[in-house]
Amino acid sequence: DAKTTQPTSMDCAEGRAANLPCNHSTISGNEYVYWYRQIHSQGPQYIIHGLKNNETNEMASLIITEDRKSSTLILPHATLRDTAVYYCIVRVATGANNLFFGTGTRLTVIP
Amino acid sequence: DTGVSQDPRHKITKRGQNVTFRCDPISEHNRLYWYRQTLGQGPEFLTYFQNEAQLEKSRLLSDRFSAERPKGSFSTLEIQRTEQGDSAMYLCASSLGETGTRFFGPGTRLTVL
Repeated sequence: DAKTTQPTSMDCAEGRAANLPCNHSTISGNEYVYWYRQIHSQGPQYIIHGLKNNETNEMASLIITEDRKSSTLILPHATLRDTAVYYCIVRVATGANNLFFGTGTRLTVIP
Repeated sequence: DTGVSQDPRHKITKRGQNVTFRCDPISEHNRLYWYRQTLGQGPEFLTYFQNEAQLEKSRLLSDRFSAERPKGSFSTLEIQRTEQGDSAMYLCASSLGETGTRFFGPGTRLTVL
């Protein structure tokens, strides 16, 4: 699976949009981009995934660049409960049983 | 609550003792995964089951570790002769089929003294 690069930490003001970047310059055509988050002392939580097109669900939006070498997870109105470590993961569609989490981005939402 | 559950949530043991953790996945999920997470790191894959069959084991899963899923439902992870380096959070996840969308339990935090 392609490796990802994320900033170590970010801050965001409560109520503002949180934009979390991820670089995956070696991504292959059959690899998806997944985002998970892990709130302190809890297990990881799936957020969203995509292949080429932008995706949106009730939690977040995922913007993937046209060349697919980077993506941005957007939390439109960050709340204090969104404070967590956010993991960007690249995974092939089939045959991969591993999810390589890396160290993620620690997002702190500030009141 | 119909999510993934793990028991116990915390375990403190002395070096050399054996410990066993249990994971109950979401009931219709046929795949079950075990991960280990140390402080400041992301979860690392240990092993996974499809139904009752253990199909893959990471090199992290030393011979002191054994996992079972006897009836394709709950799973157990046993660590024999624990070492201080085994101190970590042990996470279980489940999924329906082969997918990157997995549901994680709250984890079992192991402390080896």
